[in-house]
Amino acid sequence: QVQLKESGPGLVQPSQTLSLTCTVSGFSLTSYSVHWVRQHSGKSLEWMGRMWSDGDTSYNSAFTSRLSISRDTSKSQVFLKMNSLQTEDTGTYYCASLWFAYWGQGTLVTVSS
Amino acid sequence: DIQMTQSPSSLPASLGDRVTITCRASQDIGNYLRWFQQKPGKSPRLMIYGATNLAAGVPSRFSGSRSGSDYSLTINSLESEDMAIYYCLQHNEYPYTFGAGTKLELK
Repeated sequence: QVQLKESGPGLVQPSQTLSLTCTVSGFSLTSYSVHWVRQHSGKSLEWMGRMWSDGDTSYNSAFTSRLSISRDTSKSQVFLKMNSLQTEDTGTYYCASLWFAYWGQGTLVTVSS
Repeated sequence: DIQMTQSPSSLPASLGDRVTITCRASQDIGNYLRWFQQKPGKSPRLMIYGATNLAAGVPSRFSGSRSGSDYSLTINSLESEDMAIYYCLQHNEYPYTFGAGTKLELK
């Protein structure tokens, strides 16, 4: 069945780079887009960007200068890298696919020294 | 960016009630509107896609509708398992944007 799972460090220091991995199963990255969505604690959801099935990417302009999404289709993994992290980047990061019908469980990232 | 103005932010209701949550789009988004349900500590769950289509496995007491730039999620005969936060999402134009959420709680 379709599954997505985020992984990465729970704690990142300010000004450092966040690296997250979304590992998928049950579908091919060459068939469906994968989106990254962020949620601050107790707040709404924020769309960050997507990896298209053809390998192209789209980004929320609010993150464009510091966000990068890539993939390794052989490992069924999509990667998020965001640099210059600040405390306001603290939140839960989700990957989602099949037009948001499937989501990972989310990974909490805390930006703190 | 397209603003999705969601109302109300909080909705106290009783079991068996019929409730409606609305998102108003600041620009035309066609029917590129989805509704999600999120329970504490859980990932969002897709409830409605294409503004009016029920996602797989969603109970038939949920429905979506559109009137101009207003998109609504209606729950008929509220059940205890429906208590959650509901979000709309427009995916017509980048950046995709969510509504601020509606917390549905027992009165």
